[in-house]
Amino acid sequence: GEDVEQSLFLSVREGDSSVINCTYTDSSSTYLYWYKQEPGAGLQLLTYIFSNMDMKQDQRLTVLLNKKDKHLSLRIADTQTGDSAIYFCAETPGNTGKLIFGQGTTLQVKP
Amino acid sequence: EAGVAQSPRYKIIEKRQSVAFWCNPISGHATLYWYQQILGQGPKLLIQFQNNGVVDDSQLPKDRFSAERLKGVDSTLKIQPAKLEDSAVYLCASSLQQFSTDTQYFGPGTRLTVL
Repeated sequence: GEDVEQSLFLSVREGDSSVINCTYTDSSSTYLYWYKQEPGAGLQLLTYIFSNMDMKQDQRLTVLLNKKDKHLSLRIADTQTGDSAIYFCAETPGNTGKLIFGQGTTLQVKP
Repeated sequence: EAGVAQSPRYKIIEKRQSVAFWCNPISGHATLYWYQQILGQGPKLLIQFQNNGVVDDSQLPKDRFSAERLKGVDSTLKIQPAKLEDSAVYLCASSLQQFSTDTQYFGPGTRLTVL
């Protein structure tokens, strides 16, 4: 089946690292994505990882993929107040382009 | 490059009324998606078009929802009649093609409130 689970809320202090976790069920997903949604705005693609990779780094963002456990994480280094938003993990079963989203993790960054 | 445009941004209607949303994708994008995002949840795909043909409408409540993309560019999503549970943000996205390698770009969404 197609299902993506995320924890609902994370609070960190400015300058700390944030780690947002996600589990997915469809092993045929070729790509896994992280999207960011700020209040009143659409979804912004942050980064993605191909299913045959273990890790991808992009500036302050690090994505880790454990394909055996179907676990994905997003680490944000040196978290800033501007990083406060809802973060969605998404899988793409097969190669159809269809995105299956988790319910989102609200990241609160305290000054 | 212009992004995905949607209108209206907000709509308030009473239950049993009809409503229509409009989406203009990024120029040259063959694939267009409509997602429904209920408050506190992630977006859920309603329908996927490739040019003017439907690729996936398995989660579209066809008794009340309809969508079209007649010339393979703009698209409209209609709800008739609306129910209270249709209150949500309706997001349109487009991508170059329909494959997982093609990034989806999202519009700002239309927030629908059904009273």
